[in-house]
Amino acid sequence: QVQLVQSGAEVKKPGASVKVSCKASGYPFTTYALHWVRQAPGQSLEWMGWVNGGNGKTKYSEKFQGRATFTTDTSATTSYMELGSLRSEDTAVYYCAGGGLGFCTNGVCYTSNYWGQGTLVTVSS
Amino acid sequence: QSALTQPASVSGSPGQSITISCTGTSSDVGSYELVSWYQQHPGKAPKLMIYEDSHRPSGVSNRFSGSKSGNTASLTISGLQAEDEADYYCCSYAGSSTLVFGGGTKVTVL
Repeated sequence: QVQLVQSGAEVKKPGASVKVSCKASGYPFTTYALHWVRQAPGQSLEWMGWVNGGNGKTKYSEKFQGRATFTTDTSATTSYMELGSLRSEDTAVYYCAGGGLGFCTNGVCYTSNYWGQGTLVTVSS
Repeated sequence: QSALTQPASVSGSPGQSITISCTGTSSDVGSYELVSWYQQHPGKAPKLMIYEDSHRPSGVSNRFSGSKSGNTASLTISGLQAEDEADYYCCSYAGSSTLVFGGGTKVTVL
């Protein structure tokens, strides 16, 4: 079965960077993109963007353009989300999500029926 | 993009039906048949309940249904049960390969 397993919780100081991993299994990794979504404490879900597992192409929400970097390691079937210049407002649970359900184009599907367990990133001095 | 607008909370008694609205614009909800709905219990990852406005993934109860009219999508839960108490989020394709989520709705079973 499809599984997305994320790396463990992180504590970072303001101004630092964090890199979260998402290891995929149970499907051909290069088949479709993975989305990154975050959720601040008590807040709603926020879409950050996606990375195509097949060709590494990326798309970022305007809010994260220039500060977030998505990469993939196809040999390790793992996607990474790196967020730089951290501030306290970046404290959140970060999720990877994906799936081949519904509308898909150019290797990107826009319905996520599989989610990682989430990674808590805490930014605090 | 601006977040889609959802009511902060909706409540109902067991067995009743409730409807959660999700209002967007002609650039997102109104332009594509690509609204999905996610259920999230405290401390858990979101779970897909409805996709492409009204399609239900296998394994999701048929008590959950989705619809859309103009720029507003809706999720209806019929025969409300205690385990339906959770947060619900709508999500829409917003063009240019992007997605936008709603602010979330807390469903309380009285």
